[in-house]
Amino acid sequence: DAGVTQSPTHLIKTRGQQVTLRCSPKSGHDTVSWYQQALGQGPQFIFQYYEEEERQRGNFPDRFSGHQFPNYSSELNVNALLLGDSALYLCASSLKGQSSYNSPLHFGNGTRLTVT
Amino acid sequence: GENVEQHPSTLSVQEGDSAVIKCTYSDSASNYFPWYKQELGKRPQLIIDIRSNVGEKKDQRIAVTLNKTAKHFSLHITETQPEDSAVYFCAASQGAQKLVFGQGTRLTINP
Repeated sequence: DAGVTQSPTHLIKTRGQQVTLRCSPKSGHDTVSWYQQALGQGPQFIFQYYEEEERQRGNFPDRFSGHQFPNYSSELNVNALLLGDSALYLCASSLKGQSSYNSPLHFGNGTRLTVT
Repeated sequence: GENVEQHPSTLSVQEGDSAVIKCTYSDSASNYFPWYKQELGKRPQLIIDIRSNVGEKKDQRIAVTLNKTAKHFSLHITETQPEDSAVYFCAASQGAQKLVFGQGTRLTINP
């Protein structure tokens, strides 16, 4: 049973560039959420996708956008990168329509993004 | 929106002793409270969770208690072992799968 997989594991970008991170949910899951975890902090919710649409969004600027594909995989795009975007980006999957208690979030290992 | 405060930020205990981590939340509509363990360079892993209609839940050496009136919940680890060393995060949500996390507690178990 494949868990949540993310790629790439590490990425180094320059300020002003754009980046795309990828996530495949756990087998049987159809909902993908993205979180940003700055060093020494708890994860912060960016947005959630199911049925190929953004359903919820946290307090992140429009530079952060996403997409979900028919196979439930997802991408996170960040434009005009800032130094402050350096963080671990975590993808988590779950099952739509289920409460968090019945379908807890399963996290991937994350993508470590460094902006120089 | 929801705000979750977690204490302490660091905790060091002797192997075999108990460890307690506490969290408070602000939104009385929150009804789901998971705890995640994150080892260095690894993913957060769910270790135990509780929903608002339950006051306490236990799983072997780990237990969580919830006080809805005071809006706080706690993680209790008994008979600590070196492999319990990690960063622990509490979180709260309204069941819509958008978790609000605390700042984390770095737990160190001293042999």
